[in-house]
Amino acid sequence: GAVVSQHPSWVICKSGTSVKIECRSLDFQATTMFWYRQFPKQSLMLMATSNEGSKATYEQGVEKDKFLINHASLTLSTLTVTSAHPEDSSFYICSAPPGLGGGVNEQFFGPGTRLTVL
Amino acid sequence: GEDVEQSLFLSVREGDSSVINCTYTDSSSTYLYWYKQEPGAGLQLLTYIFSNMDMKQDQRLTVLLNKKDKHLSLRIADTQTGDSAIYFCAESITGTASKLTFGTGTRLQVTL
Repeated sequence: GAVVSQHPSWVICKSGTSVKIECRSLDFQATTMFWYRQFPKQSLMLMATSNEGSKATYEQGVEKDKFLINHASLTLSTLTVTSAHPEDSSFYICSAPPGLGGGVNEQFFGPGTRLTVL
Repeated sequence: GEDVEQSLFLSVREGDSSVINCTYTDSSSTYLYWYKQEPGAGLQLLTYIFSNMDMKQDQRLTVLLNKKDKHLSLRIADTQTGDSAIYFCAESITGTASKLTFGTGTRLQVTL
């Protein structure tokens, strides 16, 4: 099946710094990618929809100036957590539908990035 | 609204069947999915069902959909210790290209 990778898999940073998380579709093109956040022992909550070549669509309550999304190519979307604070510590997961001609009712999920802000 | 609820925890003995339940509220859901998440890992799609179906079987997995009651269940036959994980149901309106709304997740514990 199609593969989605994320980098880094985990990151620890100091409060106030910015952290960039990459999401790549390795063997297919993705015009759309989704970014989710998962707090410990909770479900995944959609943060935003990343669209190649255009602005991301953010869910209600998600600060677009804090969570910057860039989808510069058909295989890469990045999420930058700006001025991170301890409450931003979470597991961030991206997903991508198979894109053009995929023909499969499935989204492919990355392995997740665990962010810890000290 | 789009609320998807699941029971939090289920414990079964190895070899028994597991049934994980899910209720949803959005009647316009077109696709319903079951995902498995192992500790510290991403999500693995187990199976999905179209809203015009009421049952789907895939090896040890059986999905039942009661659209009238907006109830979805996942039955795992002959549960193994490797099935221990968190299981999420999810719904979407148009399928692959649309956002998913996830349930609260059910932690399945398989005991010997």
